[in-house]
Amino acid sequence: EPEVTQTPSHQVTQMGQEVILRCVPISNHLYFYWYRQILGQKVEFLVSFYNNEISEKSEIFDDQFSVERPDGSNFTLKIRSTKLEDSAMYFCASSQDRGGEKLFFGSGTQLSVL
Amino acid sequence: RKEVEQDPGPFNVPEGATVAFNCTYSNSASQSFFWYRQDCRKEPKLLMSVYSSGNEDGRFTAQLNRASQYISLLIRDSKLSDSATYLCVVNPEDSSYKLIFGSGTRLLVRP
Repeated sequence: EPEVTQTPSHQVTQMGQEVILRCVPISNHLYFYWYRQILGQKVEFLVSFYNNEISEKSEIFDDQFSVERPDGSNFTLKIRSTKLEDSAMYFCASSQDRGGEKLFFGSGTQLSVL
Repeated sequence: RKEVEQDPGPFNVPEGATVAFNCTYSNSASQSFFWYRQDCRKEPKLLMSVYSSGNEDGRFTAQLNRASQYISLLIRDSKLSDSATYLCVVNPEDSSYKLIFGSGTRLLVRP
């Protein structure tokens, strides 16, 4: 079964450093997403990406965050200057259609900001 | 009021039991509804979509009550492998790309 792959599985960084989280969505999917889950809390939407541009973003997704699809396969989330409160599990997801039907999540990147 | 609200549990039930989870959502314009399952420190996985007429998938039955803004999930004949957190998920409006997740209801099935 096709799957969304994320690297790295764990990332430890110092506060103020830039991090890039990487994702390879399912190849024939058109919609790409980043969600995050702080330990013990709910899954939260960050951003959606379609047709090479951001289609929707949440209040969490401020100027410190950016997304990019640099080639036909990778989808990245960059955090420019990490804060302690950015520590969370970051999930990439993709879907063929908009809205949640058949949304596939990657196994996540656990980001720890020290 | 929270956008999607669930009883956090945990629900601790013996194998073979029937268990029901409830969820309420605040946005009456919400169009799509789902139940996801999340194992400890793993990614959410779609369990089933929830349709207005109600739907069943094996031991799992989902119901939607739009008037009360209420969604339910019934699990019959619980298995040990059903132990997980069950997430109620809503697409807030037809034009939206995002999903709103509830905090989840934890289920523990004991032998």
